[in-house]
Amino acid sequence: DVKVTQSSRYLVKRTGEKVFLECVQDMDHENMFWYRQDPGLGLRLIYFSYDVKMKEKGDIPEGYSVSREKKERFSLILESASTNQTSMYLCASSFDRRGQNYGYTFGSGTRLTVV
Amino acid sequence: DQQVKQNSPSLSVQEGRISILNCDYTNSMFDYFLWYKKYPAEGPTFLISISSIKDKNEDGRFTVFLNKSAKHLSLHIVPSQPGDSAVYFCAATFYSFAGNKLTFGGGTRVLVKP
Repeated sequence: DVKVTQSSRYLVKRTGEKVFLECVQDMDHENMFWYRQDPGLGLRLIYFSYDVKMKEKGDIPEGYSVSREKKERFSLILESASTNQTSMYLCASSFDRRGQNYGYTFGSGTRLTVV
Repeated sequence: DQQVKQNSPSLSVQEGRISILNCDYTNSMFDYFLWYKKYPAEGPTFLISISSIKDKNEDGRFTVFLNKSAKHLSLHIVPSQPGDSAVYFCAATFYSFAGNKLTFGGGTRVLVKP
């Protein structure tokens, strides 16, 4: 069964801390994504990567950075956590083949609380 | 500016009846549309999709309808079951060499009453 694994289900961090959220997929997918989910706002794209060492900004990249050194791993970094980054963070991956199902496989999410 | 909108934040329906979820989009470049289902404390799971060359796609109890001229799609669940109680997200995309980004709507919370 294909899997996207996020390293933590729940995290509590202090304002100003540097935070790392890790995501690993075992499907050899080219694309990986980081979204955050907030009530009423749906899922908003933070960053994505379509190849190793490649990254593209999504709709809300401010305050975040990413790293993709290996195909299976995509890390989201909060350089200096703030309370408005309290959210559910979802990692996803997908193939990059025209004509195929564009669907993502999501991880279970990390609920981050910044205090 | 939200390119994908789900105007109903919640929906309550009796078990056995039809659930209809609606979604509107503004970007004419979108050519593929998907619905995801999400339970609390879990990641979204793919439910059903439709290409812009079709106007209907069916999978068991789930049917998605696409009206391109109106930039509108809907998801019908018939019959609704208590296990269908979840948040449903509409999503849209178009092909790009730099990966297939999905743009999601705000979600509709469905409650199916026994």
